[in-house]
Parts: sequence; structure tokens; C-alpha cells
Amino acid sequence: GENVGLHLPTLSVQEGDNSIINCAYSNSASDYFIWYKQESGKGPQFIIDIRSNMDKRQGQRVTVLLNKTVKHLSLQIAATQPGDSAVYFCAENDGTGRRALTFGSGTRLQVQP
Amino acid sequence: ETGVTQTPRHLVMGMTNKKSLKCEQHLGHNAMYWYKQSAKKPLELMFVYNFKEQTENNSVPSRFSPECPNSSHLFLHLHTLQPEDSALYLCASSRNSNSPLHFGNGTRLTVT
Repeated sequence: GENVGLHLPTLSVQEGDNSIINCAYSNSASDYFIWYKQESGKGPQFIIDIRSNMDKRQGQRVTVLLNKTVKHLSLQIAATQPGDSAVYFCAENDGTGRRALTFGSGTRLQVQP
Repeated sequence: ETGVTQTPRHLVMGMTNKKSLKCEQHLGHNAMYWYKQSAKKPLELMFVYNFKEQTENNSVPSRFSPECPNSSHLFLHLHTLQPEDSALYLCASSRNSNSPLHFGNGTRLTVT
């Protein structure tokens, strides 16, 4: 697959457990962040986003946390399911609209049945 | 169905060939993008179009030539590619430059 050659960090969890995937960013001007999920053979799929005026946002089974002080973003997945197995990317934008999203290298999530 | 359709899904071409990748979005978005995803690097932005006008060219070699005839269609014309250009080429669209990107499933390109 397209991510096979990359040395991606891998998170392995048991089905039903909660998963936490972390992302560090370096641009202090970034004020919009997105998490994407990419399954094998597919393009990245939008999961959830957050703007810098918030520190937490919840979706269905997912929560994104933003810590601007240490420039850290995390994605929490509750009750992880086999269908959650994929590569997860964080992306950031400086919010000005002048630049497109910048993506991280990704984390592979493996869910053990 | 992602709302962004890319064709072909797979393409094998020689270094002297000329081919084109096609992308169509059915979401009414105004911005369209080409990204490259290779085995050894994370997602790399190539080009951005806003309202059919190119607003970013991320130092892409001239053997890649984008075309955006309208807000719904985006092409990537390829000629005299190199084997290291083999990758997954992803098209995306967004409502504007500060909203989520919606990706197609990509064209897997192999240059022989």
C-alpha cells in the first residue's frame, strides 16, 4: 500500500478498548486542525476537525483534544472496532486561507479481535 | 461514494508516454487540489486551484501539468515521467481554503 514504505508508528489495541492517537505540530500560527482516516486502497476520509478557539470537540465515538500550549493534538476513539483499523493523519492549516492543509506522517491503528 | 471521483484507478505508463489523470467533484466546492502520496513520504501538496485559478504550485516539476477547466473538474497531465514519480495521486476538493478537504480514492500510478 501507499504507506507501507513509511516507518509509521503503530498503535495496537484490543477490540472494545479506547484508542488515543497523538500528533505534534510545529506552526504556532496554525489555528485549524483535522483528523483523517485512510483505509487500504482508499483516499483519506474526514473524521473530525477543531479550531484553535476550542480545546475539545466530540463526534460519534471520537473526541479531538487540542493543547495549544505544547502544540499537541490527539484523537480518542471509544470502544475501538475492527473497522477502525487504518492509518490516521492529523492535518493543520494556518487559518488564513493562503495555504492548503499540511499533513503529518500518520499513525497505523491495528485493532485485535 | 466520496463525492470526488478519480479516473483511472490504476495507470501504468512508460517514461516516454503522455497520459492524463482526471478528477471530478460533485460537492459544489470551489477549491480543488492534487496531492502525491508515495511509499517513502507523507502526503505532499502539489497544486491548488481556487475558482479555477491556480493559487499554489508546490515546486512541482514541469513534467506534471495541471488543468482546471471549471470548478468541478481537475486534470493532471503527465509526460516524460520518471520511475520515482510512481505513487498514489490524490485529488481533493473543499468549499474554500479553510475548510475540510474531501478526497477521492486516488490513481495508483506506476512508471516503468
